[in-house]
Amino acid sequence: KAGVTQTPRYLIKTRGQQVTLSCSPISGHRSVSWYQQTPGQGLQFLFEYFSETQRNKGNFPGRFSGRQFSNSRSEMNVSTLELGDSALYLCASSRRGQREGRETQYFGPGTRLLVL
Amino acid sequence: GQQVMQIPQYQHVQEGEDFTTYCNSSTTLSNIQWYKQRPGGHPVFLIQLVKSGEVKKQKRLTFQFGEAKKNSSLHITATQTTDVGTYFCAGPGYSGNTPLVFGKGTRLSVIA
Repeated sequence: KAGVTQTPRYLIKTRGQQVTLSCSPISGHRSVSWYQQTPGQGLQFLFEYFSETQRNKGNFPGRFSGRQFSNSRSEMNVSTLELGDSALYLCASSRRGQREGRETQYFGPGTRLLVL
Repeated sequence: GQQVMQIPQYQHVQEGEDFTTYCNSSTTLSNIQWYKQRPGGHPVFLIQLVKSGEVKKQKRLTFQFGEAKKNSSLHITATQTTDVGTYFCAGPGYSGNTPLVFGKGTRLSVIA
């Protein structure tokens, strides 16, 4: 079974631009969660989508948004990029979603975003 | 909110030495998960502990869940260069359908 895939793998943008990242979960997985990883803050939860609905949202500004399609693929968008948005963006999929944190999260390789 | 604290932040060991990372929660956890992230890679699930006092082994790795279910540890015996990476613990949020909260991880370096 193919793993979680993310595109693009690397991205360079300038401040003020916007970016869209894509994530394709493991076949049969209906939940996609997004995380931001930086050296200082570790893995920070952005949001979770399950069956096209946002189920949970982390403590990030409204510039960060996402959506999920009927085939469970998910996109996240960051508008008006800031230097501090430079990070590795990871998505993770699971079959039934983060029910009480019991579901194993299968991570994709990530998209490394650099904002200049 | 829910916090999962992990120590140490970094650990450098000689190959063959043992290594332990500790995870502490501010609240009782229903379960705890451990992940490993190799340099340049992504987190990979290692194990989940559910029961109070549970101990699980995977070859040279031993995972423990505290009796009060507020702490956990990962111990690696006789480290090898393949053990290099960052080890994360993760616990559930306060209520149902809330996402995992990850510790900041322990980065392990193994000197050959």
